[in-house]
Amino acid sequence: ILNVEQSPQSLHVQEGDSTNFTCSFPSSNFYALHWYRWETAKSPEALFVMTLNGDEKKKGRISATLNTKEGYSYLYIKGSQPEDSATYLCAFRGSQGNLIFGKGTKLSVKP
Amino acid sequence: DGGITQSPKYLFRKEGQNVTLSCEQNLNHDAMYWYRQDPGQGLRLIYYSQIVNDFQKGDIAEGYSVSREKKESFPLTVTSAQKNPTAFYLCASSRDRGRKTEAFFGQGTRLTVV
Repeated sequence: ILNVEQSPQSLHVQEGDSTNFTCSFPSSNFYALHWYRWETAKSPEALFVMTLNGDEKKKGRISATLNTKEGYSYLYIKGSQPEDSATYLCAFRGSQGNLIFGKGTKLSVKP
Repeated sequence: DGGITQSPKYLFRKEGQNVTLSCEQNLNHDAMYWYRQDPGQGLRLIYYSQIVNDFQKGDIAEGYSVSREKKESFPLTVTSAQKNPTAFYLCASSRDRGRKTEAFFGQGTRLTVV
């Protein structure tokens, strides 16, 4: 069973704080690394899909980096807002086509 | 509107009965996936299919079965052999198995077996 690990499990920050989470994944048979945002009572939605070592993606205040050689990715949120509160999932796509998720990091942003 | 539809949203079954969860997509996606979520756990892959008439077991396929007779449909049957079937089930699809294709998710079905 492939292991995708995320840390921390949960995070509580104040509005305006910047924060980051980690995703670690197998470095063999790597195809792509996905980040999703899952808000309560909604479906997960894709934030980023990264494929190349050294990839950096940015969407507004959220950005992500990828290191395929050592098997980790970071997600950064700059100036957290209450609407950023959600569970952030990373997923490893292997060369076989499977998509394996980590347990997620639950972010709570207090006003 | 294009999307993935899972039905029903809530499902109750008696222990020992098989139950089939529906997943339909009109996105013309080749790949489809079934995941299970339990409290405190992440999304665990049950089965996935990359093309019609083909599917592969995920990490926790025991007690489940699937079919992929049509591109738009990927039903999941929870059989009586599944020891702990009560869970939240999510279906997803992606355009193909390409590197840069993201997954799109349904709203989920919460199954309770009593």
